[in-house]
Amino acid sequence: LAKTTQPISMDSYEGQEVNITCSHNNIATNDYITWYQQFPSQGPRFIIQGYKTKVTNEVASLFIPADRKSSTLSLPRVSLSDTAVYYCLVGDPGSSASKIIFGSGTRLSIRP
Amino acid sequence: EPEVTQTPSHQVTQMGQEVILRCVPISNHLYFYWYRQILGQKVEFLVSFYNNEISEKSEIFDDQFSVERPDGSNFTLKIRSTKLEDSAMYFCASSEVIQRELGNEQFFGPGTRLTVL
Repeated sequence: LAKTTQPISMDSYEGQEVNITCSHNNIATNDYITWYQQFPSQGPRFIIQGYKTKVTNEVASLFIPADRKSSTLSLPRVSLSDTAVYYCLVGDPGSSASKIIFGSGTRLSIRP
Repeated sequence: EPEVTQTPSHQVTQMGQEVILRCVPISNHLYFYWYRQILGQKVEFLVSFYNNEISEKSEIFDDQFSVERPDGSNFTLKIRSTKLEDSAMYFCASSEVIQRELGNEQFFGPGTRLTVL
């Protein structure tokens, strides 16, 4: 599993766009990039997954440059309820070893 | 929207006692997992389960732990003789497929907080 590096914490304000960058220099050909979100005392929740270029859903956008050695999760117009820990994961979703290895994540704090 | 459910939400037990944590995965899912999160620490993988057998387990998942899918809906984690260090939030998760093009989104339950005294 490719190692990922992301900021330990970030702060922002309501209404702002937040970008969390994750580095994964050793990403393999079959690896996808996945982001999960975890609120206090709750289970992690899938946000978005991508392989290259840009993926967008109703919650976030994921930008992946051509070399795929990093990725950026973009949260548009955050609110207080976006305060959570965000995990960047890299792995082959087609692998029989489908476990998720969570890192420490990025603790995002949104202020009024 | 379908969701993973877990019971109980909080379990308090004495050291050395057996506990069974219960999970009901999403009905059409085929892959099941247990994770745990000690307070203030990372979420840790314990075990994955597919086709009525363990697919993979971590070092944490020693002989004190077992999993079972006793019927078509429940998925249980048993800890035979609990230790103080087993105190944690235990999350069950399930996924529908493992296929590269379709991803492997895992759906997590709300967790069971286990407190061992």
